[in-house]
Amino acid sequence: KQEVTQIPAALSVPEGENLVLNCSFTDSAIYNLQWFRQDPGKGLTSLLLIQSSQREQTSGRLNASLDKSSGRSTLYIAASQPGDSATYLCAVPNHRSTASKLTFGTGTRLQVTL
Amino acid sequence: AAGVIQSPRHLIKEKRETATLKCYPIPRHDTVYWYQQGPGQDPQFLISFYEKMQSDKGSIPDRFSAQQFSDYHSELNMSSLELGDSALYFCASSFSGRADTQYFGPGTRLTVL
Repeated sequence: KQEVTQIPAALSVPEGENLVLNCSFTDSAIYNLQWFRQDPGKGLTSLLLIQSSQREQTSGRLNASLDKSSGRSTLYIAASQPGDSATYLCAVPNHRSTASKLTFGTGTRLQVTL
Repeated sequence: AAGVIQSPRHLIKEKRETATLKCYPIPRHDTVYWYQQGPGQDPQFLISFYEKMQSDKGSIPDRFSAQQFSDYHSELNMSSLELGDSALYFCASSFSGRADTQYFGPGTRLTVL
């Protein structure tokens, strides 16, 4: 059974800092990995999706990397802003089917202070 | 760009009542997923549909049922509601040919009193 964990559980940084969020998964036979952002009581916003054949993906100030062999992914946020404050979740599909369920990590709650 | 639409956004029910949640996927998406997120928890998969057929099933109680209709919208029916069913219910959709990115709706907050 796939298990996904995220470290740290919570993180507080001053505005402007670069930061790294970590995601680990136990079954390395993944098809892809997706990073989401969730604001309190709100829906999930897809940030980046990395295919298993890719090493990294970039979108603006966000860069996600994937190391399948070690079962790890990182989300790098450059020049953090107060608007980045949210919970960040990584998720992996269970198998290669088109309608594969996602198993979510435990999340990292990020607060960027002024 | 069009997003996943869920209705209603908020729902309050009494114990033992029935609730129906609706999901309208992004146009041309053929796959719908349902997730349940309890307070302080990560989303848990309930059920998914691809081309109107059930594709995968998670920890969905027998009191719940769902289907995907010919226009690809989906409904989650919940009967004999219990206090523990209070949660955020998310619907997500994806396009089978597009690397399986799942796009989530804003969620329906169900409160059972």
